[in-house]
Amino acid sequence: EVQLVQSGAEVKKPGESLKISCKGSGYSFTNYWIAWVRQMPGKGLEWMGIIYPGEAETRYSPSFQGQVTISADKSATTAYLQWSSLKASDTAIYYCARTQSTWYADYWGQGAQVIVSS
Amino acid sequence: QSALTQPRSVSGSPGQSVTISCTGTSSDVGGYNSVSWYQQHPDKAPALIIYDVSKRPSGVPDRFSGSKSGNTASLTISGLQAEDEADYYCCSYAGSYTLVLFGGGTKLTVL
Repeated sequence: EVQLVQSGAEVKKPGESLKISCKGSGYSFTNYWIAWVRQMPGKGLEWMGIIYPGEAETRYSPSFQGQVTISADKSATTAYLQWSSLKASDTAIYYCARTQSTWYADYWGQGAQVIVSS
Repeated sequence: QSALTQPRSVSGSPGQSVTISCTGTSSDVGGYNSVSWYQQHPDKAPALIIYDVSKRPSGVPDRFSGSKSGNTASLTISGLQAEDEADYYCCSYAGSYTLVLFGGGTKLTVL
């Protein structure tokens, strides 16, 4: 069974750093893209970027380029999304999703809530 | 890169059909057959219901169907059921710079 299990909720202060995770299981982790998707409170879905763990190839949507870093650890079958300096506007639920070659996300993590507040 | 355009809300009675449109441009919806649709119930993760414009993953009822004409994709839900009440998002590949765009989402109310 394909599963993506994300790390838990986080409450951080502006300016702090954060790294959230997404552990894949039940499939060949290195052979599928993993995407990260943001959902701000009461808002829609936004595609942030994507990584191919097998080659560590990473691509970012223009809106998120330079704002976050996507990485993966093949040995741990885990993808990561990190911030070096959080802002209040980073408050959102972040989903990871296994993504196929024609750009659809067939399996999703349960979501990780990030709250940034002073 | 603007989000794809969806109606904010649609509604229908049980047993009826509804169609949700998703309008983009020739650089996204019209340019690729990489349109997908997702259903999201409150406080749940999105779930894939249509991919590659009109294909259904296993386990998704055939009441859900997708199509595309020009720069507009559509999701049709026939035989509406109470459990179909949810938010629906379209999504399209938009080229190697923008990557992927979502629609703004449509809230489906089953009356």
